[in-house]
Amino acid sequence: RKEVEQDPGPFNVPEGATVAFNCTYSNSASQSFFWYRQDCRKEPKLLMSVYSSGNEDGRFTAQLNRASQYISLLIRDSKLSDSATYLCVVRLNYGGSQGNLIFGKGTKLSVKP
Amino acid sequence: NAGVMQNPRHLVRRRGQEARLRCSPMKGHSHVYWYRQLPEEGLKFMVYLQKENIIDESGMPKERFSAEFPKEGPSILRIQQVVRGDSAAYFCASSPPETGGWWTDTQYFGPGTRLTVL
Repeated sequence: RKEVEQDPGPFNVPEGATVAFNCTYSNSASQSFFWYRQDCRKEPKLLMSVYSSGNEDGRFTAQLNRASQYISLLIRDSKLSDSATYLCVVRLNYGGSQGNLIFGKGTKLSVKP
Repeated sequence: NAGVMQNPRHLVRRRGQEARLRCSPMKGHSHVYWYRQLPEEGLKFMVYLQKENIIDESGMPKERFSAEFPKEGPSILRIQQVVRGDSAAYFCASSPPETGGWWTDTQYFGPGTRLTVL
């Protein structure tokens, strides 16, 4: 079983649509959770951290369910500029705040006019 | 405040040559991570370093690959005797010194070095 699994995608949606990405992780020792976005042939960029209580940043809402080991990202009113690959990322608990990130393969989103 | 810098951005090597990839972390960051992304694959952790120390190299291939982060200068990922399977994008990330806060674990990525082995 992969450590971080995501919807395979691709997701093709019209502008203004709401789109949801799901992700599951296998290691219960995972401590920190993130969504990154990666544009074609570019580096990953942090979209948002994911907190246990859930958190929102403008059109983006992230949820975490530790019991189910499940993470989600909701994008409302999608824009053309949201087209990218969305990466679900976790970090294990090695003590402290440092440690390597474990990436899902990503879900490609294409927003069409 | 400059971000994470990597050079070269593109590197072409023939089989058997050596590749040296450099990474300068963000100002004030003391933790450096190297990741590799093979074509059509997700990023995979390779090695985690602090100044003059390798903290975790569990993702590094046992042979031909080495990394360092000297007291002065950038972090270096070195690949000896490259093979075609080493062709990939190599990303470096840095994060701030540990202060005990959860917010210090955000990693910021450089633009990557795309290695092509002919």
